[in-house]
Amino acid sequence: KAGVTQTPRYLIKTRGQQVTLSCSPISGHRSVSWYQQTPGQGLQFLFEYFSETQRNKGNFPGRFSGRQFSNSRSEMNVSTLELGDSALYLCASSFRTGGIRNEQFFGPGTRLTVL
Amino acid sequence: AQSVTQLDSHVSVSEGTPVLLRCNYSSSYSPSLFWYVQHPNKGLQLLLKYTSAATLVKGINGFEAEFKKSETSFHLTKPSAHMSDAAEYFCVVGFSGGYNKLIFGAGTRLAVHP
Repeated sequence: KAGVTQTPRYLIKTRGQQVTLSCSPISGHRSVSWYQQTPGQGLQFLFEYFSETQRNKGNFPGRFSGRQFSNSRSEMNVSTLELGDSALYLCASSFRTGGIRNEQFFGPGTRLTVL
Repeated sequence: AQSVTQLDSHVSVSEGTPVLLRCNYSSSYSPSLFWYVQHPNKGLQLLLKYTSAATLVKGINGFEAEFKKSETSFHLTKPSAHMSDAAEYFCVVGFSGGYNKLIFGAGTRLAVHP
């Protein structure tokens, strides 16, 4: 079974631009969560989508948004990029939502650099 | 509120010696706890998880962790380190708010020397 895939793997953008990242979950998984990893803040939860609905969002500004399609693929968008948005963005998929014991499988991440 | 604290930011061991990575957790509920490993420029791989079935949890690559409720700890151990174990390790607690959210510790970077 193929794992979680993320595209692109690397991105370089300039301040003020916007960016869209894509995540394809493991086949059959309907939950996709997004995390931001930075040296200063570590790994932080961005949001989770399940059956095309955002379940919850972490403490991030409205410039960070996402969506999920009927095939469970998810996209994350960051508008008006700031230097501090430079990070590794990881997505994780899971078969179900709502349970603390749900195992999440991570993709390789997208490395975003904002210049 | 739930949280995890990894007590060491860096651990250095020699190949063939035991590994101990320490983690304390805070949770009002019976927690779900995980250890993930991240190799350079790679995603996160699940090493093991505790879900209340057994206090000693065995994972992949010879790692295991013991859940100690009285000490609120979930330390990761391995009897003999390999060079390939050099990576960053994250202790993680599952959020109990009804959706999929993981709360990560700050990470422990493990160095393995020949």
